[in-house]
Amino acid sequence: QVQLQQWGAGLLKPSETLSLTCAVHGGSLSGYYWTWIRQPPGKGLEWIGEVSHSGYTHYNASLKSRVSISVDTSRNQFSLKVTSVTAADTAVYYCARAEWELSHWGQGTQVTVSS
Amino acid sequence: EIVLTQSPGTLSLSPGEGVTLSCRASQSISSAYLAWYQQRAGQAPRLLIYGASTRATGIPDRFSGSVSGTDFTLTINRLEPEDFAVYYCQQYGTSPRRSFGQGTKLEIK
Repeated sequence: QVQLQQWGAGLLKPSETLSLTCAVHGGSLSGYYWTWIRQPPGKGLEWIGEVSHSGYTHYNASLKSRVSISVDTSRNQFSLKVTSVTAADTAVYYCARAEWELSHWGQGTQVTVSS
Repeated sequence: EIVLTQSPGTLSLSPGEGVTLSCRASQSISSAYLAWYQQRAGQAPRLLIYGASTRATGIPDRFSGSVSGTDFTLTINRLEPEDFAVYYCQQYGTSPRRSFGQGTKLEIK
């Protein structure tokens, strides 16, 4: 049974870099895309971007200039970095396994940007 | 750019009732590329339906999905207390690669 476990810093100051990692347990990275989604307080879901097991990436155009998603196949993990964060980046961030649908989700990480 | 519009925004219903939620795509998408999720308060979303009408593993058969043109529908029969949550539709495409509807909240009347 595939499980995703995520972690990273939860409190950042404006202009800092957000960094989150998601470990995949019980399955391989191969054959899927590995996705990051975020949810601002009281709002809906926003797709951030994704990476394949071989490192191909796709990003939301609205975030592309600040986002980087990478994969570490040796550790069965993938990671998200968002540079120059502002209060608008405050959200719960989720990792997920993607085919056409998002079948498995991490538990979510609350990230707050505040001075 | 494909936009998914969900309606209504909020529904107030009682346990035991049935409900139909709507998700309209701004342009044609393959039914294979439409999924529905349930998000209970404080939890991560959970996949309910993929390919517009296929239930995910472990999803009760009171949940069903259908499509007519660009209109996708999630139907829940005989609402249980645990069904009161927010429901999102999601598409897979090229521009953008993935996007969500704004969500429909089911609340207890």
